[in-house]
Amino acid sequence: AQKVTQAQTEISVVEKEDVTLDCVYETRDTTYYLFWYKQPPSGELVFLIRRNSFDEQNEISGRYSWNFQKSTSSFNFTITASQVVDSAVYFCANAGNMLTFGGGTRLMVKP
Amino acid sequence: NAGVTQTPKFQVLKTGQSMTLQCAQDMNHEYMSWYRQDPGMGLRLIHYSVGAGITDQGEVPNGYNVSRSTTEDFPLRLLSAAPSQTSVYFCASSYRTRGDEQFFGPGTRLTVL
Repeated sequence: AQKVTQAQTEISVVEKEDVTLDCVYETRDTTYYLFWYKQPPSGELVFLIRRNSFDEQNEISGRYSWNFQKSTSSFNFTITASQVVDSAVYFCANAGNMLTFGGGTRLMVKP
Repeated sequence: NAGVTQTPKFQVLKTGQSMTLQCAQDMNHEYMSWYRQDPGMGLRLIHYSVGAGITDQGEVPNGYNVSRSTTEDFPLRLLSAAPSQTSVYFCASSYRTRGDEQFFGPGTRLTVL
């Protein structure tokens, strides 16, 4: 069975700190996709990144970076120099035979 | 393009009532799905569809029905509402499969008394 675990339920940082959100997944599928979504206080879900299981290259997009390690079944997300606008709930998800979401990490960035 | 639209935005039901949550997309996406979001549990898949006329159950399908008569529409029916169905419901669509980027609707907040 698929499972996505986001062990950090809440993280609080001060603006300009770096923060890493952890994501660990379990799957028996050999081909799968991993995602991160952001849910700001307004409630909508915003796509951040998609990674397939054959591509372990890390990705950087501005202040955001992602580290995919198949050996540890992890797909961690780092925000560099956090800003108040980064405050949101972040979800990791795995699409194998079903699209499964983790429980989310609430990030609070204080000024 | 309107993207993914959901109606209503808010709904209050009494136990035992039935209702339909509407979802429509104008992106010609094949894959559509319904999720419920409960505190601390992320989003859980209720039902999904890989194309018109084809639907399948997700992780938590009990108490819900779906149909997909057109590519654009994917309504979710609550047969006999229960307080355990109090949740925020999101509809999503993607180009072809669950492995593609999901576009989410704004959500419907449902309360069952």
